[in-house]
Amino acid sequence: TQLLEQSPQFLSIQEGENLTVYCNSSSVFSSLQWYRQEPGEGPVLLVTVVTGGEVKKLKRLTFQFGDARKDSSLHITAAQPGDTGLYLCAGNNQGGKLIFGQGTELSVKP
Amino acid sequence: GAVVSQHPSRVICKSGTSVKIECRSLDFQATTMFWYRQFPKQSLMLMATSNEGSKATYEQGVEKDKFLINHASLTLSTLTVTSAHPEDSSFYICSAHKGRTPDYEQYFGPGTRLTVT
Repeated sequence: TQLLEQSPQFLSIQEGENLTVYCNSSSVFSSLQWYRQEPGEGPVLLVTVVTGGEVKKLKRLTFQFGDARKDSSLHITAAQPGDTGLYLCAGNNQGGKLIFGQGTELSVKP
Repeated sequence: GAVVSQHPSRVICKSGTSVKIECRSLDFQATTMFWYRQFPKQSLMLMATSNEGSKATYEQGVEKDKFLINHASLTLSTLTVTSAHPEDSSFYICSAHKGRTPDYEQYFGPGTRLTVT
């Protein structure tokens, strides 16, 4: 069974701080996707990383895929209250079915 | 991007009744759609994979006779919760992917909040 361990599960920080969320697995994924979800809404795709070692940037968010395609990280620089939400990583097991991490509940206080 | 809609967004039903939730891909065709269940402050739990024109594939522990899935067209999948009980109350979310490029990105609907009284 493929598992994706996401950490931390809860994070409460002040506006302006930096943070990193990690997703780790013993399995290789063909790609990994990061989503952000707000209460009462569906997850919104932020990025897909496909190549081992790949780094993608989305404004203040930096996503990295591990060289072996088993792990990924999301780094947020100078967090803002608008970044508050549930962040989900999900690995693609080549069949199109996603394996989700446990999620990281981020709260950014002004 | 790709847009996936769900209807209804919220539904309240009485115990013992059935509820149907629709999932539509609005601007693309989806041969495969997925149904998830999510509890508060938790991640998504895959319930089943819905394939157009064939039977759905259910995850271990999900009762196929209770959660009926029909994928009648390339843009519509439905989930029917039969004989609903209060423990079925949850947030149900569907998703669809546009195919292999780039590597099966999934696009999610806005979710349906089901409350069984």
